[in-house]
Amino acid sequence: GQQLNQSPQSMFIQEGEDVSMNCTSSSIFNTWLWYKQDPGEGPVLLIALYKAGELTSNGRLTAQFGITRKDSFLNISASIPSDVGIYFCAGRGMDSSYKLIFGSGTRLLVRP
Amino acid sequence: EAGVTQSPTHLIKTRGQQATLRCSPISGHTSVYWYQQALGLGLQFLLWYDEGEERNRGNFPPRFSGRQFPNYSSELNVNALELEDSALYLCASSSRIGLGTDTQYFGPGTRLTVL
Repeated sequence: GQQLNQSPQSMFIQEGEDVSMNCTSSSIFNTWLWYKQDPGEGPVLLIALYKAGELTSNGRLTAQFGITRKDSFLNISASIPSDVGIYFCAGRGMDSSYKLIFGSGTRLLVRP
Repeated sequence: EAGVTQSPTHLIKTRGQQATLRCSPISGHTSVYWYQQALGLGLQFLLWYDEGEERNRGNFPPRFSGRQFPNYSSELNVNALELEDSALYLCASSSRIGLGTDTQYFGPGTRLTVL
C-alpha cells in the first residue's frame, strides 16, 4: 500500500529560527496537504497543493509539491512559540479512493 | 461559516459495549471521512461516505461501521468495544468530489476511552 515517510520526527528549535520538514511517498500523489494539530484537537489545514511544482505560501509558511509528485516540504520562517504542535503531511493517491494517507507527524517545540 | 462539528467531545465505555459518534459536515459538503488516531500516533483512515453511500473503508474490522444521513451528517458505530479502540476519532468533510476543491477539513474529534 501507499506509505508516507515524514521527517524529522521531532524538532526543538529556538524562537526566530526557520524550520523545514518533508514527506516522501512510495508512489505518486495528486494532492498534498499540510495540517497542524494541537493536543486533543483535530488537524487544521495549513496549505493545500494540487499541481506538481506548485509553491504556495500562507503567511510564514511555504510548501511545495515536488516535481516527481512523490514528495513535499513545508517551511516555517521566523518561528514563534505558537508554532508548537504536530505537523502532518497528507497525500491523496491517483486511485479513486479519495482517502488521505497521513505521515507520522513532526512534533515541533519552540524555545522562547 | 460553521466548521465540522462532532459529538460527544468525550465518551467513556467499557469493553464489549457499543459506541456511537456523530459528525456534522461543513454546510455544502457532501463527503464525510472518519479517521482513528491512537495516542501519539498518526491518523488511520476508517471510512468515507459520499451522497449517503459508503465509498471506501480502511483496514478495520466490521465492528466499525457507520452511515450518512440525507442531510450529510454521519454516524460512526463501534461494536464490541476493545481496549485498543481507545483513541481520538476524527471526522472530516469535503465538497463534492471532482471539483478540485475536495480538501478535507477536520472536526475537533471525539475522545473515546474504553475501560
